[in-house]
Amino acid sequence: DTGVSQDPRHKITKRGQNVTFRCDPISEHNRLYWYRQTLGQGPEFLTYFQNEAQLEKSRLLSDRFSAERPKGSFSTLEIQRTEQGDSAMYLCASSETAATEAFFGQGTRLTVV
Amino acid sequence: KNEVEQSPQNLTAQEGEFITINCSYSVGISALHWLQQHPGGGIVSLFMLSSGKKKHGRLIATINIQEKHSSLHITASHPRDSAVYICAVIIGSRLTFGEGTQLTVNP
Repeated sequence: DTGVSQDPRHKITKRGQNVTFRCDPISEHNRLYWYRQTLGQGPEFLTYFQNEAQLEKSRLLSDRFSAERPKGSFSTLEIQRTEQGDSAMYLCASSETAATEAFFGQGTRLTVV
Repeated sequence: KNEVEQSPQNLTAQEGEFITINCSYSVGISALHWLQQHPGGGIVSLFMLSSGKKKHGRLIATINIQEKHSSLHITASHPRDSAVYICAVIIGSRLTFGEGTQLTVNP
C-alpha cells in the first residue's frame, strides 16, 4: 500500500466550472476525512466518512460542495460553480478508527481564476 | 479564540540549535498529533500521543493533559528540518488544527 493518494495534485479552473477531486485512502482504513487549507493557515475540517456513511459535515461545506464514498473505499469531493474563494489546498486523510493515527495525502491544490 | 494555539508562528534557527514549538488547547481531547508539512503541501504525521513523552530520532514530543499543553522539540536542528509544524488535537471524531509554526533552519 502506498499510503493515501489524491488526484489531481493541481487543478486550475475558471470561476463557475465544476471540479471533482478523488482520494484513495489506505485500504484497511474505515475513516476518511476531507480538510481544506488556505495559505498560511492550518487545515480546516470539511467532512468525514465512516465506511460509506458521511457522518459529519462542517458548516464550511456549502451546498455547492458534495462528497461521496460510495463503496467505503475511495472518496470524491465535488465543488459546483466554483468561486475564487474556493482556491485552497484540499487534503484527504484516513485512519483505522477515530482514535488512531491519521495519514494524509499530498493534497489537491485548486486555483480558481 | 482558536481551540488550538501554537507558538511561535515563525521560528528561525541556526543549524545545530535546540528548537521548541509549543501547543496549547482549550478543550478536552483524546489525543494530539504533531504533523510536518513541507512546501507543496504534503503532511506527514510525526507523533500521536495522549500522555507522557515520545521520541523518534532527533524529535521529542511531550504532552501534559492537565495543563492542556504539548511541546515538540528538535535536537541538533538541520536545514532539512525546515518546514511547517502543525499541532492537531482529536476532539470527538475529527482533528482540529493549529495554524502551524514555520521553522527555518539556516546552515
